[in-house]
Amino acid sequence: KAGVTQTPRYLIKTRGQQVTLSCSPISGHRSVSWYQQTPGQGLQFLFEYFSETQRNKGNFPGRFSGRQFSNSRSEMNVSTLELGDSALYLCASSLDLNQPQHFGDGTRLSIL
Amino acid sequence: AQKVTQAQTEISVVEKEDVTLDCVYETRDTTYYLFWYKQPPSGELVFLIRRNSFDEQNEISGRYSWNFQKSTSSFNFTITASQVVDSAVYFCALSEAEEAAGNKLTFGGGTRVLVKP
Repeated sequence: KAGVTQTPRYLIKTRGQQVTLSCSPISGHRSVSWYQQTPGQGLQFLFEYFSETQRNKGNFPGRFSGRQFSNSRSEMNVSTLELGDSALYLCASSLDLNQPQHFGDGTRLSIL
Repeated sequence: AQKVTQAQTEISVVEKEDVTLDCVYETRDTTYYLFWYKQPPSGELVFLIRRNSFDEQNEISGRYSWNFQKSTSSFNFTITASQVVDSAVYFCALSEAEEAAGNKLTFGGGTRVLVKP
């Protein structure tokens, strides 16, 4: 069974640009969550989607947004990139709400 | 607000030694879940265990064991007879158990374990 797939694995952008990251959950999983991991702040929750609806949102500025499609695939978008957005972005999926989450390998975003 | 504290930032052991990772949590919720994840250098977070706040029984899975003590708000993780492949960063995490709360995880800062041959 394929795991959570995140694309791309690596991305380099410059300040002011925008970026879209993609996440394909494990087949049959309906919940997708996104996390940001940085050396300074650790792992922080961004948002969670279930059945195309955002259920939870972390404490991040409006530049961070996401969506989920009918096939449960999810994308997150960051606009007007800042140096501090450099991080590993991890996507996790679970079968349903309140089920253990399984993570992808992440997308490492570097802002120059 | 929820908080997870992993006081040990890095632990270095020699292969075959036991290593215990500490995790202390804070929550106002009466029902919650506790987790441990392993993050090898590749970056992926590997799910190890989930415990419900009502279940304080200790659990053993191979060389891994977990000690949940609600009285001290701790959920410690022990690797017995460590191996080089155990080298990774280990995260303890907490989530509310109410379905309405969704799957939001609050993570500790992580403990880097280095197992030397």
